[in-house]
Amino acid sequence: KAGVTQTPRYLIKTRGQQVTLSCSPISGHRSVSWYQQTPGQGLQFLFEYFSETQRNKGNFPGRFSGRQFSNSRSEMNVSTLELGDSALYLCASSLGDRETGYTFGSGTRLTVV
Amino acid sequence: QQQVKQSPQSLIVQKGGISIINCAYENTAFDYFPWYQQFPGKGPALLIAIRPDVSEKKEGRFTISFNKSAKQFSLHIMDSQPGDSATYFCAASIGRDDKIIFGKGTRLHILP
Repeated sequence: KAGVTQTPRYLIKTRGQQVTLSCSPISGHRSVSWYQQTPGQGLQFLFEYFSETQRNKGNFPGRFSGRQFSNSRSEMNVSTLELGDSALYLCASSLGDRETGYTFGSGTRLTVV
Repeated sequence: QQQVKQSPQSLIVQKGGISIINCAYENTAFDYFPWYQQFPGKGPALLIAIRPDVSEKKEGRFTISFNKSAKQFSLHIMDSQPGDSATYFCAASIGRDDKIIFGKGTRLHILP
């Protein structure tokens, strides 16, 4: 069974640019959650999409946005990149019930220069 | 308060010893507490989870102890092995559809 696929694996962008990250969940999973991982802050929740609707949202500025398509694939967009946006961005898919567990992808490492 | 506080930040344990990682929370509405394990270059993976109506849950060498009155829970790894070296995250959520909030993680290193 294929796992969660995140593309690209690595990305280098310049301050002020925008970036789009992609996540393909496990087949049959309808929920996709996005997290930002940094050494100092750990895993911080960005947002969750379930059946194309944003179901939960974290405390990130509006520069961070996402969407989910009818095939459950999700994209995350960050506009006007700042140096502090450098992080590992992880997506996790699930059936939609927390107790079935999240399956995380290996992440996209974003570096803003 | 939507926070889970985790300690220590890093931990070194001899092979065969017991590794203990602690977490604390303020929001009594949390009703689900999972632990995730992350190896370098990989995303976190669900290790074990507990609900507050249970004081202890054991799966193999991994045990969660839960103290509802103190609003604390901990992960114990018995007979720690070098293969257990990873970053461990405690987490919490409210309700089946809620987001999962993670602690900042503990980097565990088991000496061979």
